[in-house]
Amino acid sequence: EDQVTQSPEALRLQEGESSSLNCSYTVSGLRGLFWYRQDPGKGPEFLFTLYSAGEEKEKERLKATLTKKESFLHITAPKPEDSATYLCAVQWGTSGSRLTFGEGTQLTVNP
Amino acid sequence: DAGVTQSPTHLIKTRGQQVTLRCSPKSGHDTVSWYQQALGQGPQFIFQYYEEEERQRGNFPDRFSGHQFPNYSSELNVNALLLGDSALYLCASSLAGDSYEQYFGPGTRLTVT
Repeated sequence: EDQVTQSPEALRLQEGESSSLNCSYTVSGLRGLFWYRQDPGKGPEFLFTLYSAGEEKEKERLKATLTKKESFLHITAPKPEDSATYLCAVQWGTSGSRLTFGEGTQLTVNP
Repeated sequence: DAGVTQSPTHLIKTRGQQVTLRCSPKSGHDTVSWYQQALGQGPQFIFQYYEEEERQRGNFPDRFSGHQFPNYSSELNVNALLLGDSALYLCASSLAGDSYEQYFGPGTRLTVT
């Protein structure tokens, strides 16, 4: 049973072409939703934490939002250096502080 | 401020052998979690250590074991290696308690032949 599902699996954008990545979750009792960026062969880099529906956070060209069933990572006017895999993860219910990850969205931004 | 460090960077082992991976947490952090990431997939939680004890464990066999030292650094041991253990092994550190951000190291790429 998938608890965290990310879509699309892969996304190709032209530089400056804004878009959104989706992370939907089916866990009970969400306690935190985390976004990470991962470059090939590297460890995930922390981006945002969202705790409750309606919360939004921004960092440069990235904006993360949260509803009761999903989160979106909006990328405004992306640049080639934004190319990476974006992972979302949740902490929920009785899972303690472990992170349950989705499979990620591989983003490619062409110049 | 040093981030999370892991050693070695890469490792090649033969089936049936044993391996030890090492992790030093970010300064000020006291909790270490280990994850396994197969190619093209999201990281999977192995276990978490706090106060030198395993606090949580994911769905991994007993071949996977760990240790945390008084300075909060940690080791991951894998016995009787299988081909399927080939993956990127990630260490993440955080403060104790739920909902704190976990910061990841660069990982150790393990190849089992």
